[in-house]
Amino acid sequence: KAGVTQTPRYLIKTRGQQVTLSCSPISGHRSVSWYQQTPGQGLQFLFEYFSETQRNKGNFPGRFSGRQFSNSRSEMNVSTLELGDSALYLCASSLGDRITDTQYFGPGTRLTVL
Amino acid sequence: KQEVTQIPAALSVPEGENLVLNCSFTDSAIYNLQWFRQDPGKGLTSLLLIQSSQREQTSGRLNASLDKSSGRSTLYIAASQPGDSATYLCAVRRVGGSYIPTFGRGTSLIVHP
Repeated sequence: KAGVTQTPRYLIKTRGQQVTLSCSPISGHRSVSWYQQTPGQGLQFLFEYFSETQRNKGNFPGRFSGRQFSNSRSEMNVSTLELGDSALYLCASSLGDRITDTQYFGPGTRLTVL
Repeated sequence: KQEVTQIPAALSVPEGENLVLNCSFTDSAIYNLQWFRQDPGKGLTSLLLIQSSQREQTSGRLNASLDKSSGRSTLYIAASQPGDSATYLCAVRRVGGSYIPTFGRGTSLIVHP
């Protein structure tokens, strides 16, 4: 069974630009969550999508948005990039059963904002 | 608000040692606790998931225990190997927290030959 895939793996952007990251979950998984990981803040939850609906949202500004498609693939968009958005962005997929769920993470997208 | 602390922040041990990593959380009303490992610059790999009703889970050389009343979990690694070198993170899902996980900052483990 293929794991979670994320594209692109590396990205360099400049301040003010926008970026779209993609995540393909494990086949059969309906939940996709996004996280931001930085040395200063650690791993922080961005949002979760389940069956094309945003089910949870972390404490990030509105510049961070996402969506999920009918095949469970998800995209995350960051508009008006800031230097502080440089981070490893991770997505994780799961079946969506919250009580017994195990999350499976992708390799991440390393975003550098110059 | 849930806070998760992992001690120690870093650990360096010789190969073959048994070791214990600690994870503590402030709110004991949790759904579950999950342990992950992360290799440098890569994603997280799930190791063990303990439900709130469980006391421990085992997988190979790994054993994770959960004591909700004291807000603690430990990850025991038996007979450590250089391949165990990684950062180990725990994540807790709090009841009433919209099921959003709170992660600790991790323990960076180096096992030297």
